[in-house]
Amino acid sequence: EAGVTQFPSHSVIEKGQTVTLRCDPISGHDNLYWYRRVMGKEIKFLLHFVKESKQDESGMPNNRFLAERTGGTYSTLKVQPAELEDSGVYFCASSQDIRTGGRNIQYFGAGTRLSVL
Amino acid sequence: AQRVTQPEKLLSVFKGAPVELKCNYSYSGSPELFWYVQYSRQRLQLLLRHISRESIKGFTADLNKGETSFHLKKPFAQEEDSAMYYCALNGYSGGSNYKLTFGKGTLLTVNP
Repeated sequence: EAGVTQFPSHSVIEKGQTVTLRCDPISGHDNLYWYRRVMGKEIKFLLHFVKESKQDESGMPNNRFLAERTGGTYSTLKVQPAELEDSGVYFCASSQDIRTGGRNIQYFGAGTRLSVL
Repeated sequence: AQRVTQPEKLLSVFKGAPVELKCNYSYSGSPELFWYVQYSRQRLQLLLRHISRESIKGFTADLNKGETSFHLKKPFAQEEDSAMYYCALNGYSGGSNYKLTFGKGTLLTVNP
């Protein structure tokens, strides 16, 4: 079974440009989460999808960040326009719904390292 | 508000020595706690879950609600245990919504 995959693994862009990160969750996982770790800080929650619906986006830093999950499958996280402080590692995780037998365990992708210059 | 504190940023031990990575939490409800590990150039992976009460790769962690701690322990460290360790709390935010709150992580180095 394939794990959570993220693309690209590394992105280097200039301030003001747009970047789109992609996450493919484990097949059958309704829950999809985005987290990020900026330099020197802890990994922080950004938002949570259940299928295609945003359940909790309390961690999104500002309106330059837009997350979508069309059709409840893969998700994208767009940063437009990117700023220097957006640099960091963006993680995606997925989990199975506990109401359908899931164990409430989040499985993580390898992350996308975003460098804004 | 939920918070996870890992007081040690770096921890260095010799092979065969006992190791304890500290984790304290703050949470108003009944916590669900995890230890995740990230080996060099690999993804974050689940090491332990407090509900399971199991030992993985020789590591154990006991939830102490009185001290609000979930320290990770191993009696005899191995070089392959060198990695970044994250303590995380799974906080319930209504409905079927959960989100992980992470500590800052402890980088464990096991020297030969």
